[in-house]
Amino acid sequence: GENVEQHPSTLSVQEGDSAVIKCTYSDSASNYFPWYKQELGKGPQLIIDIRSNVGEKKDQRIAVTLNKTAKHFSLHITETQPEDSAVYFCAASRGTGNQFYFGTGTSLTVIP
Amino acid sequence: GAVVSQHPSRVICKSGTSVKIECRSLDFQATTMFWYRQFPKQSLMLMATSNEGSKATYEQGVEKDKFLINHASLTLSTLTVTSAHPEDSSFYICSAKGEERYGYTFGSGTRLTVV
Repeated sequence: GENVEQHPSTLSVQEGDSAVIKCTYSDSASNYFPWYKQELGKGPQLIIDIRSNVGEKKDQRIAVTLNKTAKHFSLHITETQPEDSAVYFCAASRGTGNQFYFGTGTSLTVIP
Repeated sequence: GAVVSQHPSRVICKSGTSVKIECRSLDFQATTMFWYRQFPKQSLMLMATSNEGSKATYEQGVEKDKFLINHASLTLSTLTVTSAHPEDSSFYICSAKGEERYGYTFGSGTRLTVV
């Protein structure tokens, strides 16, 4: 099965700085990679996703990059704000209709 | 849109009792829903895949007789934790797949505490 690893487990940045979270996956058949933001006591919310036919995707302050050869993908948050503080999960799947395999999560703290 | 509503958000029950958690897709039909369990500061672990009109598919190590899943309609799946024990205390989250462009949408989760 798929194995998704995520680093770092915790990350603290100053407001305005950038934050980068990295994930690796093992299954070369995985082709869909979403990122979720989870606030305390709430369910995960999709913030951005990328498919294997694309190397990079950007949505305002958030971007995701994918390296299929190396089997890793990263989340980039620029100009961080305190409200970005949350736990972020990456996931990998063989398509949106299939099971997700989640990373272990990164607790991001943005210091005002 | 793709909204998934999960209820209750919190529930406290006594050991030995059963608890039902509902997961509804509000603006789309979901033939497949997923149930996850999340322990504090840990990732989401898939418990089972709920298929409308058929039996759920459980992940290895998940007791199907303890975690009963019913997906009787295209908009509702329920998870019943039977004969709950303190070790069942956890955060339970459902997700459903709507239109392709939305991928999976998660419910807001249910915090179960068994005392």
